[in-house]
Amino acid sequence: DAKTTQPPSMDCAEGRAANLPCNHSTISGNEYVYWYRQIHSQGPQYIIHGLKNNETNEMASLIITEDRKSSTLILPHATLRDTAVYYCIVRVNNAGNMLTFGGGTRLMVKP
Amino acid sequence: DTGVSQNPRHKITKRGQNVTFRCDPISEHNRLYWYRQTLGQGPEFLTYFQNEAQLEKSRLLSDRFSAERPKGSFSTLEIQRTEQGDSAMYLCASSLLNTGELFFGEGSRLTVL
Repeated sequence: DAKTTQPPSMDCAEGRAANLPCNHSTISGNEYVYWYRQIHSQGPQYIIHGLKNNETNEMASLIITEDRKSSTLILPHATLRDTAVYYCIVRVNNAGNMLTFGGGTRLMVKP
Repeated sequence: DTGVSQNPRHKITKRGQNVTFRCDPISEHNRLYWYRQTLGQGPEFLTYFQNEAQLEKSRLLSDRFSAERPKGSFSTLEIQRTEQGDSAMYLCASSLLNTGELFFGEGSRLTVL
């Protein structure tokens, strides 16, 4: 699986959009971009994934650049409960491929 | 609650003892994964099952570690002759086939004294 690079930490004001970047410059054509988050003392939680089109669900939006070398996870109106470590992962969607977590970005949402 | 269940949630043991963790996945999920997470690090893959078959094991899974999923439902992870370096959170996750959407449990925290 391709490696990803994320900033180690970010701050965001409550109620504002949180934009979390991820670089995956060696991504292959069949690798998806996945985002998970881990709130303190809990297991990781799936947020969203995409291949090349932008995706949106009830939790977040995922913007993938046209060359697919980077992506941004957007939490449109961050709340204090969004404080967590956010992991960007690239993965091939076929049998046998587990998720490989990096260090992630620690997002601190401040009042 | 129909999520992934792990127990015990916390285990404190002395070095050299054996410990066993149990994971009950979401019932219709074919895949079951074990990860280990130490403080400040992301989860590290240990092993996974498809139904009852253990299909892949990480180099992290030394001979002291063994995992089973005997009937393709719940799984156990046993650590024999524990060492202080085994202290970590052990996470279980389950999923359907061919998806990266894993559902994680709350984890079992092991402290080896």
